[in-house]
Amino acid sequence: EDQVTQSPEALRLQEGESSSLNCSYTVSGLRGLFWYRQDPGKGPEFLFTLYSAGEEKEKERLKATLTKKESFLHITAPKPEDSATYLCAVQEPGGGNKLTFGTGTQLKVEL
Amino acid sequence: DAGVIQSPRHEVTEMGQEVTLRCKPISGHNSLFWYRQTMMRGLELLIYFNNNVPIDDSGMPEDRFSAKMPNASFSTLKIQPSEPRDSAVYFCASSLGRGLAGHEQFFGPGTRLTVL
Repeated sequence: EDQVTQSPEALRLQEGESSSLNCSYTVSGLRGLFWYRQDPGKGPEFLFTLYSAGEEKEKERLKATLTKKESFLHITAPKPEDSATYLCAVQEPGGGNKLTFGTGTQLKVEL
Repeated sequence: DAGVIQSPRHEVTEMGQEVTLRCKPISGHNSLFWYRQTMMRGLELLIYFNNNVPIDDSGMPEDRFSAKMPNASFSTLKIQPSEPRDSAVYFCASSLGRGLAGHEQFFGPGTRLTVL
């Protein structure tokens, strides 16, 4: 069973059309949930870390939230430059320092 | 800080040849990770080190793959002999890796490996 599942796999939005990406996880005792952005040909770029249910973090047009079973990355009034693949990852108890990544949501924002 | 540095950025080689990928982590980071990314399998952890010691190599595909970290500022991932199915982008990442926080990983630009 996959521990980290992201949906949708791909999302196409018009500029200004707000939406949310989902990351659900089956890990018990989550130590941390991480969001990354990856542009084509580049390494993943760290965005946020969330540690406990109810926590929220914001950066420009992005807001990440966390519940006991899932995390959402809300994108408000997106612009074409927000187009990228968004990855989430979890840090498990007893897993040391390693992260388990989901397969990502490929976001395209069009004019 | 220059961030995580990887070399080479691109490598094209023939099947059977030895390939060595290099990584310099962010200064002061205690944990180093090697990943492989493909369209089919996404981002897979191959191996990670804490304080230069290999902790988990369960993701290393087979004996053809080996990794070393001789000091805190340098690591290598070696494939010998290489096969076409090894073609992928290989990323190195590092993190502070201490305490309850500080586990966010910072990635290098990757090495795109093509084995013909």
